[in-house]
Amino acid sequence: KAGVTQTPRYLIKTRGQQVTLSCSPISGHRSVSWYQQTPGQGLQFLFEYFSETQRNKGNFPGRFSGRQFSNSRSEMNVSTLELGDSALYLCASSPGLAGGSDTQYFGPGTRLTVL
Amino acid sequence: AQTVTQSQPEMSVQEAETVTLSCTYDTSESNYYLFWYKQPPSRQMILVIRQEAYKQQNATENRFSVNFQKAAKSFSLKISDSQLGDTAMYFCAFMKHGSFQGGKLIFGQGTELSVKP
Repeated sequence: KAGVTQTPRYLIKTRGQQVTLSCSPISGHRSVSWYQQTPGQGLQFLFEYFSETQRNKGNFPGRFSGRQFSNSRSEMNVSTLELGDSALYLCASSPGLAGGSDTQYFGPGTRLTVL
Repeated sequence: AQTVTQSQPEMSVQEAETVTLSCTYDTSESNYYLFWYKQPPSRQMILVIRQEAYKQQNATENRFSVNFQKAAKSFSLKISDSQLGDTAMYFCAFMKHGSFQGGKLIFGQGTELSVKP
């Protein structure tokens, strides 16, 4: 099976812009989770989608949003970008059937740089 | 709230030797899962091993094994016969069990492991 794919792999944006990141899960997986990784804060959970519904959410401002499509592909959007949004954004997929306790498999990440 | 602590920011080991990475966690949950992930320089996060809290037997995957001490809330990773390809950042992670707790891994700060030839 193909792994989790994320596009684009690298992005450079300026403050105030918005950005959309995409994640395609492993075939058959219905749960997609998003994480932000920074040197200062480490790995932090953003949100999780299952069957097009947000099932769990981390402590991030409303500028961070996401959605999931019927084919389980997911997008996350960050509006009004700030310098502090520069990070590696990781997407992970899992079958999503074990009460949300499945093992997650990660994509290669999208490196976002905000200038 | 759950927290995960890795007290060793950096470690090094000689090739073919054994090394143990430490992890402690704090939770009031009785049913949960623990994971070790590795992140090599490529930044690809790779699952190393998974442990269910209700299982007393320690998980093992080839050269990787864990020492899970539920009462002490400790979850260490032992790497035997270390290889150069084991050089990576290692993250310990916690996940609650059950519906509506979906998909949320709580990570420690990581331990950077260098395997030296």
